Amino acid sequence: GAVVSQHPSWVICKSGTSVKIECRSLDFQATTMFWYRQFPKQSLMLMATSNEGSKATYEQGVEKDKFLINHASLTLSTLTVTSAHPEDSSFYICRFQGLAGGHFGPGTRLTVT
Amino acid sequence: AQRVTQPEKLLSVFKGAPVELKCNYSYSGSPELFWYVQYSRQRLQLLLRHISRESIKGFTADLNKGETSFHLKKPFAQEEDSAMYYCARQGSGNNRLAFGKGNQVVVIP
Repeated sequence: GAVVSQHPSWVICKSGTSVKIECRSLDFQATTMFWYRQFPKQSLMLMATSNEGSKATYEQGVEKDKFLINHASLTLSTLTVTSAHPEDSSFYICRFQGLAGGHFGPGTRLTVT
Repeated sequence: AQRVTQPEKLLSVFKGAPVELKCNYSYSGSPELFWYVQYSRQRLQLLLRHISRESIKGFTADLNKGETSFHLKKPFAQEEDSAMYYCARQGSGNNRLAFGKGNQVVVIP
């Protein structure tokens, strides 16, 4: 099956710093990909949709200047959490568009202290 | 807005007992429905999609357009079925997935 990796898998950062999360597809290409956030014991909430080479479309309530998405190629997208605060602590999951609901990354757990 | 409703948060069943997870969706066009499973410390993975009409790991789900439901069923639960289950819908014409809140299933040996 299709393989999607995320790096890092777990990161702790201090409040006010920025963190970059990479999402990479290893054996396929996709034009569109999605970033989700999952708080403990809650469902996945879509943050933004991005198409390769163009600006991301953010969901209502998600600050585009805080969550910077760069979809530079068909196999790589990055999410940068800028000026992180403790309330940004969450599990961030990427999904590449594909058949049968697409392909999910394993997720990145961000803890902001 | 696309909505997916999974009413029960936690479901505990004994091994060998039937399992049914309810999912209702908001009607809009011709959505595509999915069930995803997330085992402990693993990534989300696709379990079923309504188009394929197949049985995976003993689970089945039937799309009922009249009731706008896509309930997940398994006649005999196994311990390895303990996991989080998410119902999701994909709108027609786009690839955005809307997820339900999820059901945690605990199978008691």
